[in-house]
Amino acid sequence: GAGVSQSPSNKVTEKGKDVELRCDPISGHTALYWYRQSLGQGLEFLIYFQGNSAPDKSGLPSDRFSAERTGGSVSTLTIQRTQQEDSAVYLCASSFNPGTGDNYGYTFGSGTRLTVV
Amino acid sequence: GQNIDQPTEMTATEGAIVQINCTYQTSGFNGLFWYQQHAGEAPTFLSYNVLDGLEEKGRFSSFLSRSKGYSYLLLKELQMKDSASYLCAVRDRGDYKLSFGAGTTVTVRA
Repeated sequence: GAGVSQSPSNKVTEKGKDVELRCDPISGHTALYWYRQSLGQGLEFLIYFQGNSAPDKSGLPSDRFSAERTGGSVSTLTIQRTQQEDSAVYLCASSFNPGTGDNYGYTFGSGTRLTVV
Repeated sequence: GQNIDQPTEMTATEGAIVQINCTYQTSGFNGLFWYQQHAGEAPTFLSYNVLDGLEEKGRFSSFLSRSKGYSYLLLKELQMKDSASYLCAVRDRGDYKLSFGAGTTVTVRA
């Protein structure tokens, strides 16, 4: 697609329920990233995909969080047994490559605002 | 990880200049990015610095001093639409992810 698409844009869920957040990156972008943004906080790294593999899951806050990517394209972030502290905006970004030696920045999606009540 | 510090808030008048400072600590520097984020929207890329000096892009300029672990974003001829949060982000050498500061909220007043 023309940009990074995330769905849903807003999600309200009850504590204890599972939620799935979807990210559709820019076509051809091999690298995909999930970040979390809480009010007044910086963007917190969650997980990075290169193709369908996740070389770095170090930012996932607990084992209730998991993510997968299929076909080198769409990614799903799943949060099980949601807690109130999971409330945040979940941002997905993609880039042409991991950009270790160049200036490829990210293109972000508009995010999913998750509210756990 | 990095300690990335930037001011929380800044206010300026339309037509004026504002400078947003960012300091960082990193074990192996490989690039500093500035993003703009309007409320409720996605962050959008503004600038990239990997060598010391000033990069100018229209009304926006970004400066980097690697030896000082310091960058600034300069916004000139401020417009109301420049009211937004400005995020400083750093990438380590050999790394792929960006580490972000908490952002600076700039309010432009008439």
